[in-house]
Amino acid sequence: KAGVTQTPRYLIKTRGQQVTLSCSPISGHRSVSWYQQTPGQGLQFLFEYFSETQRNKGNFPGRFSGRQFSNSRSEMNVSTLELGDSALYLCASSLGPGSSQPQHFGDGTRLSIL
Amino acid sequence: SQELEQSPQSLIVQEGKNLTINCTSSKTLYGLYWYKQKYGEGLIFLMMLQKGGEEKSHEKITAKLDEKKQQSSLHITASQPSHAGIYLCGATQGAQKLVFGQGTRLTINP
Repeated sequence: KAGVTQTPRYLIKTRGQQVTLSCSPISGHRSVSWYQQTPGQGLQFLFEYFSETQRNKGNFPGRFSGRQFSNSRSEMNVSTLELGDSALYLCASSLGPGSSQPQHFGDGTRLSIL
Repeated sequence: SQELEQSPQSLIVQEGKNLTINCTSSKTLYGLYWYKQKYGEGLIFLMMLQKGGEEKSHEKITAKLDEKKQQSSLHITASQPSHAGIYLCGATQGAQKLVFGQGTRLTINP
């Protein structure tokens, strides 16, 4: 069974640009969550999608947005990039919402802002 | 909001030695997850604990959730180089939102 797939693995952008990251969950998983990992702040929750609906959102500015498609694949978008957005962005999928469902993570997309 | 504190922040042990990593929560834990991360890569799911007093093992790794459900420990027996990495504890905070500890960096010396 294929794991969570994130594309691209690496991305370099400049300030002010926008970026779209993609996540394909494990087959059969319908819940997708996104996290940002930085050396200073650690792992922080961005948002969670289930059945194409955003169910939960972390404390990030509106520049960070996401969506989920009918096949459970998800994308996140960051607009007007800032230097502080440089981070490893991780996607996780699970069968569905509920604390009894472990989340399985992809290898992440490393975003560097110049 | 819930906070998780891991100790120690880093650990260097000789191959073959046992070690323990702790995760303490500011609130009652209703779902506690342990993950391992190699630098720059994704998180590998290790174990999930939900009930107070619960203990789970996988190969040489054992995790426990204390009775009061505010602390968890991860114990590795006879450590190997393959155990090196960053260990993270995570707790559910509503639906699928996980909050994480800052991680424990484990180095295994041959």
